[in-house]
Amino acid sequence: EIVLTQSPATLSLSPGERATLTCRASQSVNSYLVWYQQKPGQAPRLLIYDASNRATGIPARFSGSGSGTDFTLTITSLEPEDFAVYYCQQRRDWPLTFGGGTKVEIK
Amino acid sequence: EVQLVESGGGLIQPGGSLRLSCAASGFTVSGNYMNWVRQAPGKGLEWVSTFYTGGNTYYAGSVEGRFTISGDNSKNSVYLQMNGVRAEDTAIYYCTKGRGANSIWDYWGQGILVTVSS
Repeated sequence: EIVLTQSPATLSLSPGERATLTCRASQSVNSYLVWYQQKPGQAPRLLIYDASNRATGIPARFSGSGSGTDFTLTITSLEPEDFAVYYCQQRRDWPLTFGGGTKVEIK
Repeated sequence: EVQLVESGGGLIQPGGSLRLSCAASGFTVSGNYMNWVRQAPGKGLEWVSTFYTGGNTYYAGSVEGRFTISGDNSKNSVYLQMNGVRAEDTAIYYCTKGRGANSIWDYWGQGILVTVSS
């Protein structure tokens, strides 16, 4: 099973600041890494697929990078609606697995 | 408009059975990976199972042998039969749609709560 480790667990930032979230895989997932955003009481929403492709309707301030075992989700300038929990997920192999999540909170 | 509506959740005793349903609209379930993902209270996301047209099914180790996923093209729906439930199966269960035959989940249902307790 591919284990995904997200860091940090919590990121405390102010609106307008840059957020950098990381996801590390226990073995290579090539570029088959997906990012989701989840707000309290809501279902997750697809943000980035295959490491660097923004999903439909996702603002350009969200970007993803990486391949192999190390991946990054960057939010260039945090908007109030971006404070949420972010999960990475690998689709390289069964069983599909998620990271434990990074909570981006208002400082 | 794509919609996924889950139903069938509720309170169930340990060892019991429950069937979750996911009614899809705005697309056809055949030709797309259809999935169940769960989230225990206050915890992260966990993939549970995937169904693909033709009977291809995949399961997380934690539910293999207890849960069965299936689909009905005539009803455009997907189901999760949960048998031998345990306290650790307590979670919100989300139905998700894959982008074609892959595990990029572009649409999610609102989720349905399953509580396993005596």
